[in-house]
Amino acid sequence: GEDVEQSLFLSVREGDSSVINCTYTDSSSTYLYWYKQEPGAGLQLLTYIFSNMDMKQDQRLTVLLNKKDKHLSLRIADTQTGDSAIYFCAEKVGSYIPTFGRGTSLIVHP
Amino acid sequence: DAGVIQSPRHEVTEMGQEVTLRCKPISGHDYLFWYRQTMMRGLELLIYFNNNVPIDDSGMPEDRFSAKMPNASFSTLKIQPSEPRDSAVYFCASSRGQTTNEKLFFGSGTQLSVL
Repeated sequence: GEDVEQSLFLSVREGDSSVINCTYTDSSSTYLYWYKQEPGAGLQLLTYIFSNMDMKQDQRLTVLLNKKDKHLSLRIADTQTGDSAIYFCAEKVGSYIPTFGRGTSLIVHP
Repeated sequence: DAGVIQSPRHEVTEMGQEVTLRCKPISGHDYLFWYRQTMMRGLELLIYFNNNVPIDDSGMPEDRFSAKMPNASFSTLKIQPSEPRDSAVYFCASSRGQTTNEKLFFGSGTQLSVL
């Protein structure tokens, strides 16, 4: 199976909160990342969390990490149409290169 | 800095033709990655280089695919001969290192269509 798993699609209404979930398998993960890919563009780092943290907040973004369950989530408050994109979860173990999930397409309806 | 630069942005070719994709990493970055993105398989790592040396090419699908990095500022991914199933978006990414929390910087990708 895949090392990093995400659901493929999420649809929300503008103004609602979005929660994108990710599970990973390697308990040795040191950093976990969320990358955002806008249409026609490459991936850009959105935010990250160190494995000894449970939560990280950055304006409308909240990252929650449950190490016991190996579960990572990204919450976007007050979701806007401009948030429509593909969101990739990635894990990194020490000096190894990051492993990416398949990405979750977030569709925001007006 | 201009970021990771890929060319061409779009490539349309016929089956059997040779395709060459190009990438200029960010200056000072010593890691370079080639990824392929499709609807079916998501984002796949094809190969990566460290200091111009290929480290892991286990993701390269077939012998038709080859990648080179002749110097620190240039890399190519070549497909010869190309097939319709190679149609995808190919991304190049670079990073300064991988020892700590080094993020990857991605180019805008090359959309390849093989007819």
